[in-house]
Amino acid sequence: GQSLEQPSEVTAVEGAIVQINCTYQTSGFYGLSWYQQHDGGAPTFLSYNALDGLEETGRFSSFLSRSDSYGYLLLQELQMKDSASYFCAVRDRSARQLTFGSGTQLTVLP
Amino acid sequence: IAGITQAPTSQILAAGRRMTLRCTQDMRHNAMYWYRQDLGLGLRLIHYSNTAGTTGKGEVPDGYSVSRANTDDFPLTLASAVPSQTSVYFCASSDSLGSNVLTFGAGSRLTVL
Repeated sequence: GQSLEQPSEVTAVEGAIVQINCTYQTSGFYGLSWYQQHDGGAPTFLSYNALDGLEETGRFSSFLSRSDSYGYLLLQELQMKDSASYFCAVRDRSARQLTFGSGTQLTVLP
Repeated sequence: IAGITQAPTSQILAAGRRMTLRCTQDMRHNAMYWYRQDLGLGLRLIHYSNTAGTTGKGEVPDGYSVSRANTDDFPLTLASAVPSQTSVYFCASSDSLGSNVLTFGAGSRLTVL
């Protein structure tokens, strides 16, 4: 099976940088994904890392270290609209199931 | 606007009743999924479909059934609802089963009393 751990809550101020960590255990690894979900909304895809290193998409970056079974999502120049839940997800060996972590609630304060 | 349509948006249901949640996508995606989301537990996969005519069980399939008669539709049925099935249900799709990029519907909030 697979399991993921991420902090339940993170708080930061507008304009700051925040890092949301994710550690995973999986029988087979096919990449680490990140999703954003605003309250009452649908999850939306943010980024995907298949290989080690940093992937940058505007203010958001995602990092992966396969040897450490660890990744993080980095949000820069935080804005109020970034207040949301962020989920990391891995795909298992059978490639049938994308397993999600329990999510990190990010609160951005003015 | 291309995407996924779920219905109903919200429903209150008596225990023991049968309920079907509808899901339609217009992106011609091959793979479709049903997840449930409960506070503190993230998203858990109920059932999935690789292509029309094929379905598979996810992490929490008990009490649920699905069908995939065509590419666009993927209904989820609760044959006899129980209070533990109170949850928010999300339908999702991707171009293939191995994709990490899922498109989600807006969700259906179901309360079983």
